[in-house]
Amino acid sequence: EDKVVQSPLSLVVHEGDTVTLNCSYEVTNFRSLLWYKQEKKAPTFLFMLTSSGIEKKSGRLSSILDKKELFSILNITATQTGDSAIYLCAESGAGSYQLTFGKGTKLSVIP
Amino acid sequence: NAGVTQTPKFQVLKTGQSMTLQCAQDMNHNSMYWYRQDPGMGLRLIYYSASEGTTDKGEVPNGYNVSRLNKREFSLRLESAAPSQTSVYFCASSGGLAGGHGSYNEQFFGPGTRLTVL
Repeated sequence: EDKVVQSPLSLVVHEGDTVTLNCSYEVTNFRSLLWYKQEKKAPTFLFMLTSSGIEKKSGRLSSILDKKELFSILNITATQTGDSAIYLCAESGAGSYQLTFGKGTKLSVIP
Repeated sequence: NAGVTQTPKFQVLKTGQSMTLQCAQDMNHNSMYWYRQDPGMGLRLIYYSASEGTTDKGEVPNGYNVSRLNKREFSLRLESAAPSQTSVYFCASSGGLAGGHGSYNEQFFGPGTRLTVL
């Protein structure tokens, strides 16, 4: 059974739309949840979340963690075609070197 | 700084052939990782090295071996390639528990190697 579940698996929106990507996790001894953006090649780091309720923002992207309900969301406002990518979330446990990734959400932004 | 580099970028092998994927990082990171990425499967950890001199299995280690040559370099070897190992392979590094540039969990990825086994 998957430890990290992302939804939806794919999404097509028009430029200017706002999107919300979901990530639920189940892990004992949770330490942090991370979001990555993957365009054609390597995943690039977006956010790391360790505390509930504290929003992290970078431009049009923001993310928040709910440790009680075990999920995180990634919001993208005023989407642009350059936001088209696979968005990956990953969790890590305390004392662990490993990240467990979800399968990703493929976002396509059309003009 | 180049970050994380991988060679080769592309490789085609025949079933039963062997090869080594090379990875190097210049961020003074302690921990390094090898992942494979298959369509619809996300990133799956093959092996990791928490620090120089140690290696451990990840989620999908069968058919692979690794060597942490020094702090900078971490190689992945396929001794007898199989079609099921057709995938994109990513190397990553992070500061790790002992510190180094970057946060504990934030992993920096290389550009990947696309491997096809016929």
